[in-house]
Amino acid sequence: KAGVTQTPRYLIKTRGQQVTLSCSPISGHRSVSWYQQTPGQGLQFLFEYFSETQRNKGNFPGRFSGRQFSNSRSEMNVSTLELGDSALYLCASSLVFGESGKNTGELFFGEGSRLTVL
Amino acid sequence: LAKTTQPISMDSYEGQEVNITCSHNNIATNDYITWYQQFPSQGPRFIIQGYKTKVTNEVASLFIPADRKSSTLSLPRVSLSDTAVYYCLVGDIRGSARQLTFGSGTQLTVLP
Repeated sequence: KAGVTQTPRYLIKTRGQQVTLSCSPISGHRSVSWYQQTPGQGLQFLFEYFSETQRNKGNFPGRFSGRQFSNSRSEMNVSTLELGDSALYLCASSLVFGESGKNTGELFFGEGSRLTVL
Repeated sequence: LAKTTQPISMDSYEGQEVNITCSHNNIATNDYITWYQQFPSQGPRFIIQGYKTKVTNEVASLFIPADRKSSTLSLPRVSLSDTAVYYCLVGDIRGSARQLTFGSGTQLTVLP
């Protein structure tokens, strides 16, 4: 069974640009969540999607957005990039119980997308 | 949100048992405790999860006292390949509107 796939793995952008990152969850996983990891702040929750709906959001500005498609694949977008947005962006998927959307509790992470903003 | 506190780093020798403690004083009734392992340039990997008392799987044990304000991850007989950062995660991860808090992580270094 393929794991969580994130693309691109590495990318370099300049300030003011925007970036879109993609995440393909494990087949059958319908919950997708995103995290930002930096040396100074550690792992921070960005948002979570289930059934194409964002159902929770972390404490990040509106420049950070995301969406989920009907096949559970997800994208996140960061607009007007700042130097401080340089980070490893991680996507995780998980199984849910039926239509309740309740997670089984185990997150499967991808290898991340390393974003460098110059 | 349940704030967590872990030691920043720990050293151990091959073959020893390692115990990493996570403090989470304001854990909520519906919160679970989950531990993840992360190697450089990789995403975290699930190790173990528990709600109360003791949980054991093929790689680790998790001890949770009755008040649930702390938890201890126990790794038996560590090897060099166990050198990684270990994260304690506390939250209602089975809820539909969850808030997750990752701890600052503990860098475990296993020495030969």
